[in-house]
Amino acid sequence: SQELEQSPQSLIVQEGKNLTINCTSSKTLYGLYWYKQKYGEGLIFLMMLQKGGEEKSHEKITAKLDEKKQQSSLHITASQPSHAGIYLCGAEGGGSNYKLTFGKGTLLTVNP
Amino acid sequence: KAGVTQTPRYLIKTRGQQVTLSCSPISGHRSVSWYQQTPGQGLQFLFEYFSETQRNKGNFPGRFSGRQFSNSRSEMNVSTLELGDSALYLCASSSYSGGASEQYFGPGTRLTVT
Repeated sequence: SQELEQSPQSLIVQEGKNLTINCTSSKTLYGLYWYKQKYGEGLIFLMMLQKGGEEKSHEKITAKLDEKKQQSSLHITASQPSHAGIYLCGAEGGGSNYKLTFGKGTLLTVNP
Repeated sequence: KAGVTQTPRYLIKTRGQQVTLSCSPISGHRSVSWYQQTPGQGLQFLFEYFSETQRNKGNFPGRFSGRQFSNSRSEMNVSTLELGDSALYLCASSSYSGGASEQYFGPGTRLTVT
């Protein structure tokens, strides 16, 4: 079964700093999803990547999928307290197995 | 458009009891997926229902079951509760089966088993 490893597990940054969260898969990624979660709440969809080398941006958040489609990174530029939360990557199993497998998440704290 | 709603938001149960959680999807959405989130295991897929049929199932024991009604509302049931069932249970709805990119998550039900 597919496993997703996220790093780091937690991250504390000063407001205004850039940061990167990584998501590495044990298998080829057919659809990689990034979500944000406030503690104890539901997930908010951020971005989906499907093609090797694909890169998407939304406001100050950029996500990339490497050419081999086994690793994705999420980069936040000039972090703000509103970016704080848990970031999760999720991946589809491929073929008809479209259920999502998730990484364990990265807890981001942004200090003002 | 109203979002995904889950009831109750918080629940405390005793070992051995059973519990039923409810999820109302976004109007027009026919797919409802359920997930369990714990600190140790993270977010794990339980099952997906589409048009009242279970379409996909995760690796959970038979104590975990679900159903979907004709109005797309879904319930999940956990029987013979164990301490390890304490978790945040999330449901997500989408307009079509497998529509992960269009999944909208509810706020979750936090279940505590004592």
